[in-house]
Amino acid sequence: DTAVSQTPKYLVTQMGNDKSIKCEQNLGHDTMYWYKQDSKKFLKIMFSYNNKELIINETVPNRFSPKSPDKAHLNLHINSLELGDSAVYFCASSQSVSGGDYGYTFGSGTRLTVV
Amino acid sequence: GNSVTQMEGPVTLSEEAFLTINCTYTATGYPSLFWYVQYPGEGLQLLLKATKADDKGSNKGFEATYRKETTSFHLEKGSVQVSDSAVYFCALSKRGSYIPTFGRGTSLIVHP
Repeated sequence: DTAVSQTPKYLVTQMGNDKSIKCEQNLGHDTMYWYKQDSKKFLKIMFSYNNKELIINETVPNRFSPKSPDKAHLNLHINSLELGDSAVYFCASSQSVSGGDYGYTFGSGTRLTVV
Repeated sequence: GNSVTQMEGPVTLSEEAFLTINCTYTATGYPSLFWYVQYPGEGLQLLLKATKADDKGSNKGFEATYRKETTSFHLEKGSVQVSDSAVYFCALSKRGSYIPTFGRGTSLIVHP
């Protein structure tokens, strides 16, 4: 059983399109995150939800909109895709809002390529 | 605010060499400290952790000791293998802080 699963694994799309990435965790964790990793492997936190409530909303374009239908799911919708959105997007989860003593569990990533 | 600083990579070693990847942190109080590993094409995996000063985390031959006096959590391995080639991230978490804090990652390349 995959602990944090995200789909799709690869996404190639044209500029201007709208796309979604889905994430699900079966760990019973309360907190979920979206990260963006650039080509130099730098990880940037984008959003975090705790029990369906948005608690982190970093400086990202408002074309990015997260949605958490329940605490096991966190989806990311991106409108009007741009070339600069090309990156690997990771979903993660943790037992508590600050990560606590157990750290974070990451999904395997979605590689988004905008052409 | 909290921050983590890692040595820049890539670190290039021959198989069976000794590895050290430096990590220092800035945080008030007593954060929990972590090392994560990211193999090519995969997500980050927790490698080891330490939750209080002088604790030593260890896993798969890797070790790191939580040094409060030097605010450090350096990653070490006595004899690296080609399969250890990956990107290593140092991270901290602290109660009351919602923002996860990761270092910029250090790429390790091990040659046969």
